[in-house]
Amino acid sequence: GENVEQHPSTLSVQEGDSAVIKCTYSDSASNYFPWYKQELGKRPQLIIDIRSNVGEKKDQRIAVTLNKTAKHFSLHITETQPEDSAVYFCAASYDNYGQNFVFGPGTRLSVLP
Amino acid sequence: DTAVSQTPKYLVTQMGNDKSIKCEQNLGHDTMYWYKQDSKKFLKIMFSYNNKELIINETVPNRFSPKSPDKAHLNLHINSLELGDSAVYFCASSQDLAGGAGVHEQFFGPGTRLTVL
Repeated sequence: GENVEQHPSTLSVQEGDSAVIKCTYSDSASNYFPWYKQELGKRPQLIIDIRSNVGEKKDQRIAVTLNKTAKHFSLHITETQPEDSAVYFCAASYDNYGQNFVFGPGTRLSVLP
Repeated sequence: DTAVSQTPKYLVTQMGNDKSIKCEQNLGHDTMYWYKQDSKKFLKIMFSYNNKELIINETVPNRFSPKSPDKAHLNLHINSLELGDSAVYFCASSQDLAGGAGVHEQFFGPGTRLTVL
């Protein structure tokens, strides 16, 4: 089955700096890679996703890159703000009648003012 | 106007008891899920239901049983609760297109914090 690893487990950056979180996956059949943000005491919410037919996707200060050959994908947050502080989860899934999501262990991002 | 709702928000109970957590979604989605998030924040899928059929069943103890009375509800029943069951349980839903035409965003409920004493 799919195995998703995520690094680092914790990340502290100064406000305005960039943050990068990296994930690797094991199942080459996976073709959908979402990123979820979970603020303290709240539910996970999708912030960006990418499919295997695309190498990069950007949404304002957030971007995701995918390297299918190496089986890794990354989340990039630029100009970080205190409200970016949260736990971020990557996940891998494949187009299948069932949506078998496997989440990474999460990265706790702290943006210091 | 909540999309995915869960009750109760907090559940404190004794070991050995049987409890249920309810989940409802008003998004018209046809796939619903249960996740367990432990104290280390690991988010693991437990079950998913599509059109009232269990299509994913990870290796969870059979003390856990999902029940879906209709497409908008997926309840989680837990028998003989153990200390290790303490966690936050999230319900989620998504629109699963027929024939696997695309994986879609999962919308999570607010979570139920279960504490077993």
